[in-house]
Amino acid sequence: GAGVSQSPSNKVTEKGKDVELRCDPISGHTALYWYRQSLGQGLEFLIYFQGNSAPDKSGLPSDRFSAERTGGSVSTLTIQRTQQEDSAVYLCASSQDRGTNEKLFFGSGTQLSVL
Amino acid sequence: EDQVTQSPEALRLQEGESSSLNCSYTVSGLRGLFWYRQDPGKGPEFLFTLYSAGEEKEKERLKATLTKKESFLHITAPKPEDSATYLCAARYSSASKIIFGSGTRLSIRP
Repeated sequence: GAGVSQSPSNKVTEKGKDVELRCDPISGHTALYWYRQSLGQGLEFLIYFQGNSAPDKSGLPSDRFSAERTGGSVSTLTIQRTQQEDSAVYLCASSQDRGTNEKLFFGSGTQLSVL
Repeated sequence: EDQVTQSPEALRLQEGESSSLNCSYTVSGLRGLFWYRQDPGKGPEFLFTLYSAGEEKEKERLKATLTKKESFLHITAPKPEDSATYLCAARYSSASKIIFGSGTRLSIRP
C-alpha cells in the first residue's frame, strides 16, 4: 500500500487477556518505530527497529510488552496480561533510514481499550 | 535525560491572527529537531526538519525556526483548516529514538 497500515484500528479487550497489534510499514522502509499516545498526551516512545533487529527497546514499559519484526517488514507489538493502564492509541511509524532522511510516516494507530 | 517541552498546551486564535508555538529542547547532542501536525483520529504528519541554529523552513502559512536552545513554529494569518495539534520532536546523537513533546492544540476560529 501507499502508506503505513495498522490493524486492528480498534481493539477492546478484557483485563488479563493478551493482544497483538500489527504494523505494515511502507515498502522499502528499513526503520520502524512504535509509540503510545494516551488521551490528550504526546507520543511515548516504545521501541525502534532497524531491519529485523531492535537496537533501542528502552521505552517498553514492562516485560508484558514485546515486539518483533520479520523479513524487514511487518512488525507485531504484543501486550500480555493487559491492564487498564495499557489503554491508549498505539502508533507505528516507518522511515527510509536513520541517516539524513529523518521523516517518519505514521499509521492511523490502533485504539486499545482494556475493560 | 533528554527532554522536549512545548508551550502553550493550547492556543485559540481568530482567523488571520498570527502567533508562534514554542519548543524547548535539551541542547547537548541534538541531531535534528522536527515538527509534525496531528489531526484528531490520525497519526502525525511530517512538516519540517531543522538541523542547526539559524536554520528556517517554510510551508504555506507555517515557518519553523531553530535557535541554540529552542524552536518556534510561526503561523501567519491562520485559517480554520490550520486547527490541529502541533508536535515537536528531537533526535539525539546518543539515542536511536525520536522524543516527542506533548504538543500544542491550536484552534482557529472563523
